[in-house]
Amino acid sequence: AQSVSQHNHHVILSEAASLELGCNYSYGGTVNLFWYVQYPGQHLQLLLKYFSGDPLVKGIKGFEAEFIKSKFSFNLRKPSVQWSDTAEYFCAVNAGYGGSQGNLIFGKGTKLSVKP
Amino acid sequence: DSGVTQTPKHLITATGQRVTLRCSPRSGDLSVYWYQQSLDQGLQFLIQYYNGEERAKGNILERFSAQQFPDLHSELNLSSLELGDSALYFCASSPQGLADTQYFGPGTRLTVL
Repeated sequence: AQSVSQHNHHVILSEAASLELGCNYSYGGTVNLFWYVQYPGQHLQLLLKYFSGDPLVKGIKGFEAEFIKSKFSFNLRKPSVQWSDTAEYFCAVNAGYGGSQGNLIFGKGTKLSVKP
Repeated sequence: DSGVTQTPKHLITATGQRVTLRCSPRSGDLSVYWYQQSLDQGLQFLIQYYNGEERAKGNILERFSAQQFPDLHSELNLSSLELGDSALYFCASSPQGLADTQYFGPGTRLTVL
């Protein structure tokens, strides 16, 4: 079965520090990859997505992610975090036509706490 | 605001009861997904509908059922509720339901006492 692993359960950073959150997926076929963010008490919002093309994708709020097919990875990065980035971040994979008809498989999430 | 609406926002009920959660997708989206978010299981896919038909099933219990109506809104029915069913239930919608972006609603927080 497909799975998504997020390496860090909780990350604590100071403002202006750089961020990298790891994500690995297990599915070997065609994949679409997503990062969603959940601010405290709110619903999931799409940060960025990768379907095909340039493996470096840029999202909202200064986030970017790099798809490395050989490593089955899709790590999320931000050069300089702000206090307002405090949230939980979820990596997800959509297994496309060969898999589960479109539903998302989520990682366990990484809580990011940014100290002002 | 994603354009996906869910009602109610909160629901408190007792064990053994039955509840119905409602979701309206974004305008133009044909596919609806239901997910359950709990502390121990994380975000789990329950079921997907596309244009009124069930398309995929995930970790959905037999006590749970769903449907999508001709106007494309969806309802998730949870019956014989147990304490462990307490969770956030999210609905998401997407245009075609095949490898496209899903947009999530605000969720329904279910508390079973």
